[in-house]
Amino acid sequence: DSGVTQTPKHLITATGQRVTLRCSPRSGDLSVYWYQQSLDQGLQFLIQYYNGEERAKGNILERFSAQQFPDLHSELNLSSLELGDSALYFCASSVHRDTEAFFGQGTRLTVV
Amino acid sequence: EDQVTQSPEALRLQEGESSSLNCSYTVSGLRGLFWYRQDPGKGPEFLFTLYSAGEEKEKERLKATLTKKESFLHITAPKPEDSATYLCAVQTGAGSYQLTFGKGTKLSVIP
Repeated sequence: DSGVTQTPKHLITATGQRVTLRCSPRSGDLSVYWYQQSLDQGLQFLIQYYNGEERAKGNILERFSAQQFPDLHSELNLSSLELGDSALYFCASSVHRDTEAFFGQGTRLTVV
Repeated sequence: EDQVTQSPEALRLQEGESSSLNCSYTVSGLRGLFWYRQDPGKGPEFLFTLYSAGEEKEKERLKATLTKKESFLHITAPKPEDSATYLCAVQTGAGSYQLTFGKGTKLSVIP
């Protein structure tokens, strides 16, 4: 157990809908990262927050947004969902901005 | 653009049969190279970080090495419980743990 908690574990929703994925980092970790893993693309970095502020942005679609709250938990919002958004979404956390990160167990999103 | 290529895509070994996984990379400025293990349906589990050419790290039956262009993950006398997908990733740029991952090597160790 890495200490990073993600909810829900599974999510099934219809095209066009909006969902929110939640991540609680390890105790003491200030940095949160979101990754998407699909069969054809592998693990892709989406976005990083450090102590409440956006730190780095990767290949995140405009339909997706994230935030980190004062208690350091983070949420990833996915809207206008398409079939191609079906994937595993992982959250990771680390103590500082650039130290090794530990991954949660992921949320499996299925868009039907 | 940073690129990470892992080979082979899949590897089947008999229990006890040692082998190596390869990770070649093209980056503008390497700050660190990372190895993770991922079991099906689970999150990646951190194994090693390597920072400079010539560096080596070991953990149980695993040993990771780094050159200027590639990294190897050596598996000595593997056991069935070593079966997993092994992911290599590079970190570039300062101030962020943004990683570029390879697509992984799926290792199966047969009893």
